[in-house]
Amino acid sequence: DSGVTQTPKHLITATGQRVTLRCSPRSGDLSVYWYQQSLDQGLQFLIQYYNGEERAKGNILERFSAQQFPDLHSELNLSSLELGDSALYFCASSVGGDKFATTEAFFGQGTRLTVV
Amino acid sequence: DQQVKQNSPSLSVQEGRISILNCDYTNSMFDYFLWYKKYPAEGPTFLISISSIKDKNEDGRFTVFLNKSAKHLSLHIVPSQPGDSAVYFCAASGSWGGNTPLVFGKGTRLSVIA
Repeated sequence: DSGVTQTPKHLITATGQRVTLRCSPRSGDLSVYWYQQSLDQGLQFLIQYYNGEERAKGNILERFSAQQFPDLHSELNLSSLELGDSALYFCASSVGGDKFATTEAFFGQGTRLTVV
Repeated sequence: DQQVKQNSPSLSVQEGRISILNCDYTNSMFDYFLWYKKYPAEGPTFLISISSIKDKNEDGRFTVFLNKSAKHLSLHIVPSQPGDSAVYFCAASGSWGGNTPLVFGKGTRLSVIA
């Protein structure tokens, strides 16, 4: 158990809909990262938050947004969903935003999103 | 443009033998490298890392080698065990003292045959 909790584990929704994925980081971790893993693809970095503020942005679509709340949990919002958005979405956390690489990130079990 | 490449999608090794997983990178700014292991229905778990100031790091059965001039790193598992069967991801970052997210390869599926 990594200590990172993601809900829900599975989500099936229709095209055009909007969903929210939730992540609770490990106790004490201030940084939260979101990654997307599509079929046969590596983990694609989407966005990072550190202590409530956006810290880094990757290949995140404009239809996607995220936020980190005062209690440090984070939500990833996916809207106007398309079939191609079907993927595993992972959340990871680490101690600090400035030391992401020097302290390894801990991953949750992921949310499998299926868009039909 | 893939900055981190794992060119072998899969690898099969007999139990007790050595497993060698390879990874190449293109970005000269990367200075910290990690390996993650992933079992089905679980998130990736950190395995071992190496900074660019070293060329080898060892942790039990796992050793990571870094060849900066070739922009290549490898993970050696000796001896391989059936429980090592998983997908292994190589990751890199330019965050030594900075703040850039990890860039992952597509992974190599290791099967250790008893």
